[in-house]
Amino acid sequence: GQQVMQIPQYQHVQEGEDFTTYCNSSTTLSNIQWYKQRPGGHPVFLIQLVKSGEVKKQKRLTFQFGEAKKNSSLHITATQTTDVGTYFCAGPEGYSTLTFGKGTMLLVSP
Amino acid sequence: KAGVTQTPRYLIKTRGQQVTLSCSPISGHRSVSWYQQTPGQGLQFLFEYFSETQRNKGNFPGRFSGRQFSNSRSEMNVSTLELGDSALYLCASSKDVNTGELFFGEGSRLTVL
Repeated sequence: GQQVMQIPQYQHVQEGEDFTTYCNSSTTLSNIQWYKQRPGGHPVFLIQLVKSGEVKKQKRLTFQFGEAKKNSSLHITATQTTDVGTYFCAGPEGYSTLTFGKGTMLLVSP
Repeated sequence: KAGVTQTPRYLIKTRGQQVTLSCSPISGHRSVSWYQQTPGQGLQFLFEYFSETQRNKGNFPGRFSGRQFSNSRSEMNVSTLELGDSALYLCASSKDVNTGELFFGEGSRLTVL
């Protein structure tokens, strides 16, 4: 079946530094979604990208969908302690399943 | 608008027992998905239901089962519990999984002793 890989697994940054997580799928995706899970919490939807080469911004977060629709990235500019959590990408498999990457855990030190 | 509600939030069972977890989706959402989350494996898909029909099932043994009722509420059952079943079980609802975001519940944390 479809595999979604994320790197890095873990990153520790100082507050104010930038952060990027990368997502690669073994198959072409119709769309890709990003979720954030705070420690002790549940995944919360951040964004969905649909078009090849699409770039979307949410304040300090920039999301990109690759031209081949097999890869994506999330970049956070000037991290804050509130950015702490695990970031997951997910792609649909068939019409009834969303396959998640294993996530990138972000730790931000003040 | 009420979110996805999962019960119970925490439970402790012993090996060999069975457990039933419940999920009430957001009103109007007909798709309910279940995921198992463990530190080593991340979010693993268990099954998805839409209008009382199981549309897909993940790679889990037959001890894991589920169902969906006419009001879209869903339950999952794990029989003959094993230590490795200890995990956070997350339920998520959507209008349709292929069209947009999943709304997750807080999860049911199962510990098997």
